[in-house]
Amino acid sequence: DAGVIQSPRHEVTEMGQEVTLRCKPISGHDYLFWYRQTMMRGLELLIYFNNNVPIDDSGMPEDRFSAKMPNASFSTLKIQPSEPRDSAVYFCASSPRDGSTDTQYFGPGTRLTVL
Amino acid sequence: AQSVAQPEDQVNVAEGNPLTVKCTYSVSGNPYLFWYVQYPNRGLQFLLKYITGDNLVKGSYGFEAEFNKSQTSFHLKKPSALVSDSALYFCAVRDSEGSYIPTFGRGTSLIVHP
Repeated sequence: DAGVIQSPRHEVTEMGQEVTLRCKPISGHDYLFWYRQTMMRGLELLIYFNNNVPIDDSGMPEDRFSAKMPNASFSTLKIQPSEPRDSAVYFCASSPRDGSTDTQYFGPGTRLTVL
Repeated sequence: AQSVAQPEDQVNVAEGNPLTVKCTYSVSGNPYLFWYVQYPNRGLQFLLKYITGDNLVKGSYGFEAEFNKSQTSFHLKKPSALVSDSALYFCAVRDSEGSYIPTFGRGTSLIVHP
């Protein structure tokens, strides 16, 4: 298995532009998570999905952020419009349905820089 | 409610010496505890977990962690540190009576000096 795949790996954009981050979870995993990592705040959970349905988006910082999961193999995190304070590394992770394991498998991350 | 604390932002240790990275937690029910490691420019990787059973849990790369219920701790340990162990380590906890989703600590940077 290729693991969790994220694209792009690096994104540099200007303030006000729309940014879309993409994630392909591990096949068969029912849970998908989006995290943001910064030096100031550490690792923050933004939103998570179960069977493609958003369950908790209380971590989404504001309305400029939105996430979708149109099918079991694809999710997007969109920022519109982007701001310099959105600069961070964004991770996608997936987890199997088996509740006894709870291990999360993280992708390599997308490093976002908003100028 | 579930929470986890990693009281040290950074731990320094000499190569060959034992290392400990500390983690304490708070839950309402029983804790499910995890350690993850993040190498530079990489995503987090699972190291080990405690769900039930033996208090000493062995994981990847020679790491182990000891669950201590009375002290609500789950410290990560390794008998002999390697320079290649230098990374960011995250502790996470999930409450058996709460959300499916674990809460991660802020991370501890481990630096192993040659």
